[in-house]
Amino acid sequence: DAGVTQSPTHLIKTRGQQVTLRCSPKSGHDTVSWYQQALGQGPQFIFQYYEEEERQRGNFPDRFSGHQFPNYSSELNVNALLLGDSALYLCASSLGPSFWQFFGPGTRLTVL
Amino acid sequence: SQQGEEDPQALSIQEGENATMNCSYKTSINNLQWYRQNSGRGLVHLILIRSNEREKHSGRLRVTLDTSKKSSSLLITASRAADTASYFCATDGLDTGFQKLVFGTGTRLLVSP
Repeated sequence: DAGVTQSPTHLIKTRGQQVTLRCSPKSGHDTVSWYQQALGQGPQFIFQYYEEEERQRGNFPDRFSGHQFPNYSSELNVNALLLGDSALYLCASSLGPSFWQFFGPGTRLTVL
Repeated sequence: SQQGEEDPQALSIQEGENATMNCSYKTSINNLQWYRQNSGRGLVHLILIRSNEREKHSGRLRVTLDTSKKSSSLLITASRAADTASYFCATDGLDTGFQKLVFGTGTRLLVSP
């Protein structure tokens, strides 16, 4: 039973570019949440997708957008990248609005 | 913004010693969870304590929760070098219908052989 998977593992972009990160939830899970973790900080909630809709959103600008597909996988898109977007991006999946979120290994994004 | 604050920010101990980490939060919660993160990779769930519970055990882990003080502690007994990691508390609030975890700033634990 595969856990949460994320791709790519690492990514290097330059300022102003756009990036797409991908997440496949744990088998049987239908809810995906995205978090941003800056170096030396705790993760910060970006948004959550359930039934292909954004259900909750954290304090992130509209440059951050997402999508959930019918197979429950999800994408995180960031437009007009800034240096401050450099971080580890974590995806977590759960079985609906449950207590237990399983985290993926993350995608390390570096913006130069 | 971060809701939880962990204390200490860093902790260095010897194998076999106990490690205690504290977490404070600001608003009323449904649950509080502790996670471990090795070398900036994915988070591993350790334990969940509900707002109506005061103490919970799991193996070498003991978690306490004091909702009147809005604080929690994580005790790791008989620590091992493999426990070296960053530890985060995370809360989900009463005002959110879906789970939205708010993480603290973390405690970096170093266990030396």
